[in-house]
Amino acid sequence: DAKTTQPPSMDCAEGRAANLPCNHSTISGNEYVYWYRQIHSQGPQYIIHGLKNNETNEMASLIITEDRKSSTLILPHATLRDTAVYYCIVRVAGANSKLTFGKGITLSVRP
Amino acid sequence: DVKVTQSSRYLVKRTGEKVFLECVQDMDHENMFWYRQDPGLGLRLIYFSYDVKMKEKGDIPEGYSVSREKKERFSLILESASTNQTSMYLCASSLGREGNTIYFGEGSWLTVV
Repeated sequence: DAKTTQPPSMDCAEGRAANLPCNHSTISGNEYVYWYRQIHSQGPQYIIHGLKNNETNEMASLIITEDRKSSTLILPHATLRDTAVYYCIVRVAGANSKLTFGKGITLSVRP
Repeated sequence: DVKVTQSSRYLVKRTGEKVFLECVQDMDHENMFWYRQDPGLGLRLIYFSYDVKMKEKGDIPEGYSVSREKKERFSLILESASTNQTSMYLCASSLGREGNTIYFGEGSWLTVV
């Protein structure tokens, strides 16, 4: 079962920051927060992941609250190509652990 | 860049046919996965493998089998395809270490008629 809660959808204007929230109130100390996105008819694309600290890469930033019960994915300058379903996933640390997907949040970027 | 390649993007098969979906990864990953994705049901794990000749059932293994004879290749087999196996199938792979990232292929759309 998915252990995260995301709103079903949100939108933002092109060029603005998109802040995608995720609740994971039952997260354990050995669980990572992962974000993937899926553009229609394509395979999921890895975005970013973190354990405790905030993380940033060329695609996005991940802000994890101090109690680790929620996080926010930030796309700093959303473009139309960022329109996709975004999945927030809690994943047990471990060499062979797998991903369990929930329903995700549909982000629509408007011109 | 990690490359997970699924052999067929679109397939149409008849009920009762044996179907092979092939997946190859080029990053020497230990772990490989097969998911299916259906509207309203999301992505569901069928089988995974964390070493050659090793396999573990996922959440929905019924009607499927897998084969991992070489590290880079993971095959999903539908012994006798049925219409309820019409779906998008996704292969994925990852290194066998903590905190690894799972990478997905582009998906294979299978229609069983």
